[in-house]
Amino acid sequence: GAVVSQHPSWVICKSGTSVKIECRSLDFQATTMFWYRQFPKQSLMLMATSNEGSKATYEQGVEKDKFLINHASLTLSTLTVTSAHPEDSSFYICSARGGHQYEQYFGPGTRLTVT
Amino acid sequence: QKEVEQDPGPLSVPEGAIVSLNCTYSNSAFQYFMWYRQYSRKGPELLMYTYSSGNKEDGRFTAQVDKSSKYISLFIRDSQPSDSATYLCAMSEKTSGSRLTFGEGTQLTVNP
Repeated sequence: GAVVSQHPSWVICKSGTSVKIECRSLDFQATTMFWYRQFPKQSLMLMATSNEGSKATYEQGVEKDKFLINHASLTLSTLTVTSAHPEDSSFYICSARGGHQYEQYFGPGTRLTVT
Repeated sequence: QKEVEQDPGPLSVPEGAIVSLNCTYSNSAFQYFMWYRQYSRKGPELLMYTYSSGNKEDGRFTAQVDKSSKYISLFIRDSQPSDSATYLCAMSEKTSGSRLTFGEGTQLTVNP
């Protein structure tokens, strides 16, 4: 149990375009979802936390107008990178947690390359 | 000073060895402790999670928490080449919605 999927697994886009990444909890209701960014050989950096039906809470230094997060249902959250630039190229990972859980279950990640 | 300290390695061991991975932390409010395994270019996979001090065993894996020393460990018995990955410790406070604080991750290679 506790499976989280992400789509797409890999995306290449041109500079200036927007990219949407989906995160789904497949077998549990995710009251809270988290979005992370990870650079090579580094640990995960939390970007934002979202609760179903509420606005996301962004970490300091993360531009909320650039990284749009929507958590419209208990099984789906989306991250949209708007006006992407090469420096946005990274590995984006979502995680999800159920109502009474404290552990987080991670998706397989999405590799974004902006050319 | 980081809230969670973890030796990044790399750690290289022969197949069959017992592996010991460790993290120390400074925040006494941390109540929940987790170990994740991350293969290259994949999302982290939850291996073990514990709430209280003591040991928890699952197959070849044993997680140990010592809250008095603010020290957690993960032991891997009979290590296999498929265990080669980065191991991340993570912890959180008790409040609902609390974020995870991660260690830097230890890169482990098990040589056949």
